Amino acid sequence: QQQVKQSPQSLIVQKGGISIINCAYENTAFDYFPWYQQFPGKGPALLIAIRPDVSEKKEGRFTISFNKSAKQFSLHIMDSQPGDSATYFCAASIRNTDKLIFGTGTRLQVFP
Amino acid sequence: DAGITQSPRHKVTETGTPVTLRCHQTENHRYMYWYRQDPGHGLRLIHYSYGVKDTDKGEVSDGYSVSRSKTEDFLLTLESATSSQTSVYFCAIPSGEGNPGELFFGEGSRLTVL
Repeated sequence: QQQVKQSPQSLIVQKGGISIINCAYENTAFDYFPWYQQFPGKGPALLIAIRPDVSEKKEGRFTISFNKSAKQFSLHIMDSQPGDSATYFCAASIRNTDKLIFGTGTRLQVFP
Repeated sequence: DAGITQSPRHKVTETGTPVTLRCHQTENHRYMYWYRQDPGHGLRLIHYSYGVKDTDKGEVSDGYSVSRSKTEDFLLTLESATSSQTSVYFCAIPSGEGNPGELFFGEGSRLTVL
């Protein structure tokens, strides 16, 4: 099953709060899990990525948590800011191919 | 965006007409990709290229063809546009860091088929 299921579809968070976006997959051939951030009118931009042999990766306020046994991974945005308001996509890369499968996206709105 | 230029950025056309979208890169990458973005579907791979004249199908290739006659240009053609092809189309190249799944996207081409 070459799907990546992403939730929630939309998320509203107060400034300073924690934003959490979840993704799940079935295909064990996925071996790299990037997250992309997209602002209106722009292309998606790589935000942070993780390999399945690592349980957590942190870059500034952004953290990926990865649960290999549950086939789930999530993006946590700490101290969320209005400038973080964007659409976020999780994705998964299929081992030994050039295929990248995207989740359906989460629209995050951070209110001051 | 530095590295990728998509043209046109916006196009309105009628059902049944041919449409060609162009992606131009200045990074000399072997790989280039075309994705479409639709609400509720995220981004889906249409076609990709792994070299001049070397292309392959993605998830949603029906109704689309591509050509790559030189490294810097990757063309996406809708031979006879349909309303279901109304979408935002993104071209992408590898980000250059060597990790799979790390792509650099253009700013998109918004196509409306009436």
